[in-house]
Amino acid sequence: AQSVTQPDIHITVSEGASLELRCNYSYGATPYLFWYVQSPGQGLQLLLKYFSGDTLVQGIKGFEAEFKRSQSSFNLRKPSVHWSDAAEYFCAVEGSSASKIIFGSGTRLSIRP
Amino acid sequence: KAGVTQTPRYLIKTRGQQVTLSCSPISGHRSVSWYQQTPGQGLQFLFEYFSETQRNKGNFPGRFSGRQFSNSRSEMNVSTLELGDSALYLCASSWEGKDSPLHFGNGTRLTVT
Repeated sequence: AQSVTQPDIHITVSEGASLELRCNYSYGATPYLFWYVQSPGQGLQLLLKYFSGDTLVQGIKGFEAEFKRSQSSFNLRKPSVHWSDAAEYFCAVEGSSASKIIFGSGTRLSIRP
Repeated sequence: KAGVTQTPRYLIKTRGQQVTLSCSPISGHRSVSWYQQTPGQGLQFLFEYFSETQRNKGNFPGRFSGRQFSNSRSEMNVSTLELGDSALYLCASSWEGKDSPLHFGNGTRLTVT
């Protein structure tokens, strides 16, 4: 069965520092992968997606993610975080059905001034 | 283009009551999915509707039901509410197809007392 693991529940980084959020997936075929961000009291916003092709994907707000099939990973990165990046981040994989997306448990990002 | 609209934003109900939540998808989107988000369980898939038909269903009891209208608007109903139904209910819409990411509304916060 498809699954997504985000091993870090909570991460704190200093403003201006680099960021990497980890995501590992389990899926038999080539996965469709996503990163979403959720600010408090809001819905989820799509940051970026990977379907095929270039394994380094650029997203909004300066985020990027790299698909590594050998490691079953799709880690999210940002070279320099801003206080406004504080939020919860969800990695997701599209399941066997065309319409069902499975989410990881999320990583809460805090920014240290 | 207007985003996904969910109403109401907040609801307070008592145990045993029933509740109906509404979701208006992005214009042109025919797929509507519902998710339950709780601190303990994270984001859990409830069901997905496409062209007025339920296409997928998650592992929730029959007290949770939904429907979709011809204009793609969707409603979700929970009967005989339990304390554990307190959650943020998120609706998401998308185009048809595996390469279509979900676009989320801001959710309805349901509190059951």
